[in-house]
Amino acid sequence: NAGVTQTPKFRILKIGQSMTLQCTQDMNHNYMYWYRQDPGMGLKLIYYSVGAGITDKGEVPNGYNVSRSTTEDFPLRLELAAPSQTSVYFCASNSDGDTQYFGPGTRLTVL
Amino acid sequence: DQQVKQNSPSLSVQEGRISILNCDYTNSMFDYFLWYKKYPAEGPTFLISISSIKDKNEDGRFTVFLNKSAKHLSLHIVPSQPGDSAVYFCAASDTGNQFYFGTGTSLTVIP
Repeated sequence: NAGVTQTPKFRILKIGQSMTLQCTQDMNHNYMYWYRQDPGMGLKLIYYSVGAGITDKGEVPNGYNVSRSTTEDFPLRLELAAPSQTSVYFCASNSDGDTQYFGPGTRLTVL
Repeated sequence: DQQVKQNSPSLSVQEGRISILNCDYTNSMFDYFLWYKKYPAEGPTFLISISSIKDKNEDGRFTVFLNKSAKHLSLHIVPSQPGDSAVYFCAASDTGNQFYFGTGTSLTVIP
């Protein structure tokens, strides 16, 4: 049981490049989330999903897109990377009424 | 607009003494509160939670207190141990689908 896995662990992008951050959970959780954590700040919710085929915006969705075609996977897409998207990205999941389980994070730098 | 606030960025405590971490919130609709612990280069891990129908929840060395009238919660760790050194985030939820995090308090337990 791997829990929540995220790839890659680290990535450096140039301004304007695109990439997809992968997130997979093997706990059959309905709820999945993407957060970003900037230095000295708390986690900010980017997008979340309450089940396959359903996604919704969080506090800071601009510049990102998500999809949820399966229960297990919740990829986060950056289409035109900007320096403001330099951050650590965490994926999380939970079942209804349960606490969230977090992945180890992806550290993204946009230069 | 930070709905969950942790006003102490850092805290140092002697081993064996009590650690008290504080958290304030502004949204009176929040009804579920959690504390997470985070080590460097790892995702947050759940520590303890409390619902708004209670004012105290205890789990071993960890106790969370909730004061709804003051919109304040605190985490007490007794006795503090060096392994407790980490960043602690409080989080709150109103719907169960979205969680709002504080900025974190870095706890150092001095042996």
